Amino acid sequence: DVKVTQSSRYLVKRTGEKVFLECVQDMDHENMFWYRQDPGLGLRLIYFSYDVKMKEKGDIPEGYSVSREKKERFSLILESASTNQTSMYLCASRPTDSPLHFGNGTRLTVT
Amino acid sequence: DQQVKQNSPSLSVQEGRISILNCDYTNSMFDYFLWYKKYPAEGPTFLISISSIKDKNEDGRFTVFLNKSAKHLSLHIVPSQPGDSAVYFCAAFGNTGNQFYFGTGTSLTVIP
Repeated sequence: DVKVTQSSRYLVKRTGEKVFLECVQDMDHENMFWYRQDPGLGLRLIYFSYDVKMKEKGDIPEGYSVSREKKERFSLILESASTNQTSMYLCASRPTDSPLHFGNGTRLTVT
Repeated sequence: DQQVKQNSPSLSVQEGRISILNCDYTNSMFDYFLWYKKYPAEGPTFLISISSIKDKNEDGRFTVFLNKSAKHLSLHIVPSQPGDSAVYFCAAFGNTGNQFYFGTGTSLTVIP
Protein backbone atom coordinates (compact mmCIF):
# COMPACT_ATOMS: atom_id res chain seq x y z
CA ASP A 1 0.00 0.00 0.00
CA VAL A 2 1.28 3.43 -0.95
CA LYS A 3 2.27 5.65 1.93
CA VAL A 4 2.66 9.40 1.62
CA THR A 5 3.79 10.92 4.89
CA GLN A 6 3.63 14.59 5.77
CA SER A 7 5.86 15.49 8.69
CA SER A 8 3.37 17.63 10.61
CA ARG A 9 -0.40 17.39 11.03
CA TYR A 10 -0.76 20.83 12.60
CA LEU A 11 1.57 23.81 12.46
CA VAL A 12 1.29 27.34 13.83
CA LYS A 13 3.72 29.95 12.55
CA ARG A 14 4.11 33.70 12.78
CA THR A 15 3.89 36.13 9.89
CA GLY A 16 7.26 36.51 8.18
CA GLU A 17 8.65 33.16 9.30
CA LYS A 18 10.19 30.76 6.81
CA VAL A 19 8.19 27.53 6.88
CA PHE A 20 9.16 24.08 5.64
CA LEU A 21 6.56 21.40 4.91
CA GLU A 22 8.04 17.98 4.33
CA CYS A 23 6.59 15.07 2.38
CA VAL A 24 7.97 11.57 1.88
CA GLN A 25 6.61 8.74 -0.26
CA ASP A 26 7.70 5.13 -0.09
CA MET A 27 6.73 3.83 -3.55
CA ASP A 28 9.43 5.24 -5.81
CA HIS A 29 6.93 7.45 -7.63
CA GLU A 30 8.33 9.83 -10.22
CA ASN A 31 5.73 12.53 -9.75
CA MET A 32 5.04 14.51 -6.59
CA PHE A 33 2.65 17.39 -5.98
CA TRP A 34 1.75 20.06 -3.46
CA TYR A 35 -1.85 21.29 -3.21
CA ARG A 36 -3.66 23.57 -0.85
CA GLN A 37 -7.29 23.07 0.07
CA ASP A 38 -9.50 26.00 1.03
CA PRO A 39 -13.28 26.03 1.60
CA GLY A 40 -15.16 26.78 -1.58
CA LEU A 41 -12.00 26.65 -3.68
CA GLY A 42 -11.27 22.93 -3.76
CA LEU A 43 -7.73 21.69 -4.29
CA ARG A 44 -5.37 24.05 -6.05
CA LEU A 45 -1.98 22.99 -7.35
CA ILE A 46 0.99 24.94 -6.02
CA TYR A 47 3.97 23.07 -7.51
CA PHE A 48 4.75 19.65 -8.86
CA SER A 49 7.85 17.67 -9.71
CA TYR A 50 8.27 14.87 -12.23
CA ASP A 51 11.84 13.98 -11.33
CA VAL A 52 14.62 14.72 -8.87
CA LYS A 53 15.68 18.38 -9.01
CA MET A 54 12.86 19.11 -11.48
CA LYS A 55 9.93 21.37 -10.60
CA GLU A 56 7.02 22.96 -12.38
CA LYS A 57 4.73 25.76 -11.24
CA GLY A 58 1.11 24.96 -10.70
CA ASP A 59 -1.77 27.41 -10.60
CA ILE A 60 -0.79 29.32 -7.44
CA PRO A 61 3.01 29.26 -6.96
CA GLU A 62 3.39 32.83 -5.66
CA GLY A 63 4.92 32.93 -2.19
CA TYR A 64 6.06 29.32 -2.35
CA SER A 65 9.09 27.38 -3.51
CA VAL A 66 9.89 23.67 -3.55
CA SER A 67 12.83 21.35 -3.28
CA ARG A 68 13.29 17.81 -4.52
CA GLU A 69 16.80 16.59 -3.79
CA LYS A 70 15.81 12.93 -3.47
CA LYS A 71 13.14 11.00 -5.32
CA GLU A 72 11.17 10.14 -2.21
CA ARG A 73 11.09 13.62 -0.67
CA PHE A 74 9.35 16.80 -1.83
CA SER A 75 9.49 19.89 0.34
CA LEU A 76 7.28 22.97 0.19
CA ILE A 77 8.81 26.21 1.43
CA LEU A 78 6.96 29.34 2.42
CA GLU A 79 9.65 31.98 2.10
CA SER A 80 7.92 34.52 4.33
CA ALA A 81 4.65 33.22 5.73
CA SER A 82 1.60 35.43 5.47
CA THR A 83 -1.88 35.08 6.97
CA ASN A 84 -3.39 34.33 3.55
CA GLN A 85 -1.29 31.17 3.49
CA THR A 86 -3.28 29.73 6.36
CA SER A 87 -4.66 26.57 4.78
CA MET A 88 -4.65 22.78 4.58
CA TYR A 89 -1.63 21.63 2.58
CA LEU A 90 -1.77 18.28 0.83
CA CYS A 91 1.14 16.39 -0.66
CA ALA A 92 0.54 13.69 -3.28
CA SER A 93 2.53 11.32 -5.42
CA ARG A 94 1.82 9.13 -8.41
CA PRO A 95 3.55 6.88 -10.88
CA THR A 96 2.82 7.53 -14.55
CA ASP A 97 -0.76 6.74 -15.64
CA SER A 98 -2.16 6.25 -12.15
CA PRO A 99 -4.25 8.20 -9.65
CA LEU A 100 -2.78 10.54 -7.09
CA HIS A 101 -2.06 9.20 -3.62
CA PHE A 102 -2.39 11.83 -0.92
CA GLY A 103 -0.87 12.29 2.49
CA ASN A 104 -3.02 13.21 5.48
CA GLY A 105 -2.35 16.89 5.12
CA THR A 106 -0.79 19.65 7.21
CA ARG A 107 -3.11 22.26 8.71
CA LEU A 108 -1.01 25.43 8.75
CA THR A 109 -2.09 28.51 10.67
CA VAL A 110 -0.16 31.74 10.20
CA THR A 111 -0.79 34.36 12.89
CA ASP B 1 -10.89 29.96 -14.53
CA GLN B 2 -12.32 26.82 -12.97
CA GLN B 3 -12.01 24.01 -15.51
CA VAL B 4 -13.78 21.47 -13.30
CA LYS B 5 -16.95 22.49 -11.49
CA GLN B 6 -19.08 20.92 -8.83
CA ASN B 7 -22.10 23.15 -8.56
CA SER B 8 -23.64 21.54 -5.49
CA PRO B 9 -21.67 22.34 -2.33
CA SER B 10 -23.73 19.91 -0.28
CA LEU B 11 -26.14 17.00 -0.57
CA SER B 12 -28.19 15.10 2.02
CA VAL B 13 -29.56 11.63 1.37
CA GLN B 14 -31.38 9.04 3.46
CA GLU B 15 -29.51 5.84 4.25
CA GLY B 16 -30.26 3.15 1.66
CA ARG B 17 -31.19 5.62 -1.07
CA ILE B 18 -29.11 6.64 -4.08
CA SER B 19 -26.62 9.53 -3.88
CA ILE B 20 -25.84 11.30 -7.14
CA LEU B 21 -22.93 13.72 -7.25
CA ASN B 22 -22.35 15.79 -10.35
CA CYS B 23 -19.34 17.35 -12.01
CA ASP B 24 -18.88 19.44 -15.16
CA TYR B 25 -15.71 20.26 -17.05
CA THR B 26 -14.82 22.67 -19.80
CA ASN B 27 -11.64 21.32 -21.38
CA SER B 28 -12.29 18.78 -24.15
CA MET B 29 -8.65 17.61 -23.89
CA PHE B 30 -9.32 15.91 -20.54
CA ASP B 31 -9.25 12.15 -21.02
CA TYR B 32 -9.16 10.70 -17.53
CA PHE B 33 -11.56 11.46 -14.70
CA LEU B 34 -11.49 10.50 -11.05
CA TRP B 35 -13.48 10.78 -7.86
CA TYR B 36 -11.87 11.24 -4.48
CA LYS B 37 -13.44 11.03 -1.04
CA LYS B 38 -12.20 13.12 1.87
CA TYR B 39 -12.94 12.85 5.56
CA PRO B 40 -12.11 15.79 7.85
CA ALA B 41 -8.45 15.97 8.92
CA GLU B 42 -7.47 13.29 6.41
CA GLY B 43 -6.12 13.42 2.87
CA PRO B 44 -8.35 12.58 -0.09
CA THR B 45 -8.55 8.89 -0.98
CA PHE B 46 -9.05 7.63 -4.50
CA LEU B 47 -12.48 6.15 -5.10
CA ILE B 48 -13.06 5.39 -8.76
CA SER B 49 -11.93 6.57 -12.19
CA ILE B 50 -13.02 6.48 -15.80
CA SER B 51 -11.21 6.88 -19.08
CA SER B 52 -12.73 8.96 -21.86
CA ILE B 53 -13.05 5.85 -24.02
CA LYS B 54 -15.74 4.56 -21.65
CA ASP B 55 -19.07 5.96 -20.55
CA LYS B 56 -19.49 3.92 -17.38
CA ASN B 57 -17.33 2.30 -14.74
CA GLU B 58 -18.62 0.37 -11.77
CA ASP B 59 -16.96 -0.72 -8.53
CA GLY B 60 -19.26 -2.22 -5.95
CA ARG B 61 -21.70 0.43 -4.73
CA PHE B 62 -19.98 3.15 -6.77
CA THR B 63 -20.61 3.88 -10.44
CA VAL B 64 -19.20 6.75 -12.46
CA PHE B 65 -20.91 7.89 -15.65
CA LEU B 66 -19.26 10.03 -18.30
CA ASN B 67 -21.13 12.05 -20.91
CA LYS B 68 -18.43 13.47 -23.17
CA SER B 69 -20.76 15.46 -25.39
CA ALA B 70 -22.15 17.27 -22.35
CA LYS B 71 -18.73 17.39 -20.61
CA HIS B 72 -20.40 15.95 -17.54
CA LEU B 73 -19.68 13.14 -15.15
CA SER B 74 -21.57 11.83 -12.19
CA LEU B 75 -20.94 9.49 -9.28
CA HIS B 76 -23.74 7.22 -8.12
CA ILE B 77 -23.60 5.57 -4.71
CA VAL B 78 -26.17 2.81 -4.17
CA PRO B 79 -27.16 2.12 -1.47
CA SER B 80 -25.86 5.09 0.49
CA GLN B 81 -24.46 4.37 3.96
CA PRO B 82 -23.69 6.74 6.87
CA GLY B 83 -19.97 5.99 6.42
CA ASP B 84 -20.21 7.56 2.97
CA SER B 85 -20.65 10.96 4.61
CA ALA B 86 -17.62 12.92 3.40
CA VAL B 87 -16.56 15.56 0.89
CA TYR B 88 -16.29 14.23 -2.66
CA PHE B 89 -14.00 15.82 -5.22
CA CYS B 90 -14.03 15.13 -8.92
CA ALA B 91 -10.82 15.57 -10.85
CA ALA B 92 -9.82 15.60 -14.50
CA PHE B 93 -6.53 14.93 -16.23
CA GLY B 94 -5.23 15.62 -19.70
CA ASN B 95 -1.91 14.34 -20.99
CA THR B 96 -0.79 17.73 -22.18
CA GLY B 97 0.05 19.08 -18.76
CA ASN B 98 0.71 16.28 -16.25
CA GLN B 99 -1.72 18.08 -13.99
CA PHE B 100 -4.96 17.10 -12.29
CA TYR B 101 -7.71 19.70 -12.07
CA PHE B 102 -10.06 19.41 -9.11
CA GLY B 103 -13.58 20.60 -8.51
CA THR B 104 -14.56 22.50 -5.37
CA GLY B 105 -16.10 19.47 -3.70
CA THR B 106 -19.56 18.30 -2.63
CA SER B 107 -20.21 17.52 1.02
CA LEU B 108 -22.41 14.42 1.24
CA THR B 109 -24.38 13.66 4.39
CA VAL B 110 -26.09 10.28 4.62
CA ILE B 111 -28.81 10.39 7.26
CA PRO B 112 -29.37 7.16 9.21
